[in-house]
Amino acid sequence: QQQVKQSPQSLIVQKGGIPIINCAYENTAFDYFPWYQQFPGKGPALLIAIRPDVSEKKEGRFTISFNKSAKQFSLHIMDSQPGDSATYFCAATFSGGYNKLIFGAGTRLAVHP
Amino acid sequence: NAGVMQNPRHLVRRRGQEARLRCSPMKGHSHVYWYRQLPEEGLKFMVYLQKENIIDESGMPKERFSAEFPKEGPSILRIQQVVRGDSAAYFCASSPYGTGNGNTIYFGEGSWLTVV
Repeated sequence: QQQVKQSPQSLIVQKGGIPIINCAYENTAFDYFPWYQQFPGKGPALLIAIRPDVSEKKEGRFTISFNKSAKQFSLHIMDSQPGDSATYFCAATFSGGYNKLIFGAGTRLAVHP
Repeated sequence: NAGVMQNPRHLVRRRGQEARLRCSPMKGHSHVYWYRQLPEEGLKFMVYLQKENIIDESGMPKERFSAEFPKEGPSILRIQQVVRGDSAAYFCASSPYGTGNGNTIYFGEGSWLTVV
């Protein structure tokens, strides 16, 4: 019940394409869902996050869609660029508790020029 | 304003040796978290510490692993008698508050442990 399942494991798109990464969770007590971006040899950095009281959140070219009834959320990257090539992790946590994040397994994205 | 500092960045140990990983949180942060990332996997929570206290160590293996965050100095993750399965990236994170929204947690660049 503590798991967050992420798919696909890897993704290749052309520059300008819209990669979509999906995550699903079981624990309905989760109420904060961040996405992290990680470049090789670096630590994860917060990209964008959403709460279950909204269905969509946009920040620049990154959009999170959230489906509370299905317990699923997804990351869309508009007009993807080669510089977006990285590993993306979804995560879930309880906002009222301390920052114990439950991470998905990650999606390795490659954006070809 | 320095971020979360981890050292060493890369560490090679022979089986049976000890590994010590250090983490200096961001200035003003008194809450430290350790996560482990095995190859091709996501990060897994290991332990949450405040100054001089272990708050949650539910993700720590029962044996050989220990963590501390003393009143003075960095947080230390200690792995005794390392085995090949301990090879992983170990990430430290810090936050200014004990409760938060995840957006107040900042990760370091990690310490890559290789056991040969």
